[in-house]
Amino acid sequence: GAVVSQHPSWVICKSGTSVKIECRSLDFQATTMFWYRQFPKQSLMLMATSNEGSKATYEQGVEKDKFLINHASLTLSTLTVTSAHPEDSSFYICSASGEGKGSYNEQFFGPGTRLTVL
Amino acid sequence: QKEVEQDPGPLSVPEGAIVSLNCTYSNSAFQYFMWYRQYSRKGPELLMYTYSSGNKEDGRFTAQVDKSSKYISLFIRDSQPSDSATYLCAMMDSSYKLIFGSGTRLLVRP
Repeated sequence: GAVVSQHPSWVICKSGTSVKIECRSLDFQATTMFWYRQFPKQSLMLMATSNEGSKATYEQGVEKDKFLINHASLTLSTLTVTSAHPEDSSFYICSASGEGKGSYNEQFFGPGTRLTVL
Repeated sequence: QKEVEQDPGPLSVPEGAIVSLNCTYSNSAFQYFMWYRQYSRKGPELLMYTYSSGNKEDGRFTAQVDKSSKYISLFIRDSQPSDSATYLCAMMDSSYKLIFGSGTRLLVRP
């Protein structure tokens, strides 16, 4: 299979601070990584897509200056929530896909990071 | 109208029952159809995927796609308490972007 990890798994921060979440592909090179947000009892909503070495493509309604995404290597992408507010509290999940890994550009999901902003 | 509609449940069944989970969609450009299982506070895990209309079976799981009706189903035979989770349908078009349903919570009672 393909393993994707996220760190941290759970973070609490104060309102106004910034939080960085890491997403790593452990056993394959992820040419594309995706960031999703999931509110309680709701579905996963795609926030942005990032290709290694390129700027991320954000979905409509997602503030790129608030959710900074960096995909500097083929195994690591980071999501930084800047000036976090309580309404940013959510479950953030990354996924990764890579050439020759899986089929139909299959995305392999990380375990998620629960962010709570006080 | 959402692109993908899924009944949120919860769906409660006794152990051993056959479970039927369904999604409808509106975008005829969707080519790949997936079912994911998500346990509480975990990332989604791919159960099955199908391409175009038809059936696909894997152990106790069967996925059906009817593109003419824009309707997909997942059947779970001989359901077990360990199957209790949220089941998400997802679809992908040629852009390889995944669009998820809202998920159906399933509870299999011992």
